Amino acid sequence: KNQVEQSPQSLIILEGKNCTLQCNYTVSPFSNLRWYKQDTGRGPVSLTIMTFSENTKSNGRYTATLDADTKQSSLHITASQLSDSASYICVVSAGSSGGSYIPTFGRGTSLIVHP
Amino acid sequence: DTEVTQTPKHLVMGMTNKKSLKCEQHMGHRAMYWYKQKAKKPPELMFVYSYEKLSINESVPSRFSPECPNSSLLNLHLHALQPEDSALYLCASSQDGANYGYTFGSGTRLTVV
Repeated sequence: KNQVEQSPQSLIILEGKNCTLQCNYTVSPFSNLRWYKQDTGRGPVSLTIMTFSENTKSNGRYTATLDADTKQSSLHITASQLSDSASYICVVSAGSSGGSYIPTFGRGTSLIVHP
Repeated sequence: DTEVTQTPKHLVMGMTNKKSLKCEQHMGHRAMYWYKQKAKKPPELMFVYSYEKLSINESVPSRFSPECPNSSLLNLHLHALQPEDSALYLCASSQDGANYGYTFGSGTRLTVV
C-alpha cells in the first residue's frame, strides 16, 4: 500500500529561524514528489516538484531534497517569516500505465512561526 | 493562465437544496480531480476525469455527482447533502502522462446546515 509519512506533526519556531520538515514514503513505482504549502481554508500551493533523478530543488527560501534510495525527502525553510505559518504537505505520485497518476498525500506538518 | 479557478469560494446550503460547484482550467490539462478535505486532514480523492473517462471513488455517496462538459470544466453537483459533508472541496488538474503539472484551485468552503 502506498504511504507517505510526515514529521513532525507540528512545529513552532521563532521568526528568522530555519527549520526542516521530513517526508518518508513507500510509493511504487515512484514518479514524482511535491511539497505544497496550504494556508487554512485555502487550496494547496506547489512549492517544489522533483522526479527520480533530482536530488535538490529550491524555490526562494524553500529547498527540497530527495533521496530516492532511502525514499526520504526534506523541506528546508530558511529565515522563516510569519507568513510561513501554514500546513506543509508532501505528495508522492506513482507511475501508472493507465494515464492517470493518483497521488498519495501525507498528513502534513503544521508550522507556526512566532514573532 | 496557470490557474485552476473554483467558484463559489464559499457556499452555505440546506439539506434539501441542489447546488453546483464549478472548476475551470485553461492550461490544456487533460485530467481533472475533485477532492474533499476536512479540517487538519489530507485531501481525499472523490472523482477523476482523465482521458475523457470518469473514475469514481466508490466510497463517495451518490449525493455527489460530477459532470465534465468539456476538457476545461469539471463541475460537482450536490443534492440532499448532510451536515457531515461540510468541508473544503478542492479541484485540481494535471497534464497528461507523469502528472507533473498538478495544480490545485483555491477551494470552495461548503457548509451544510
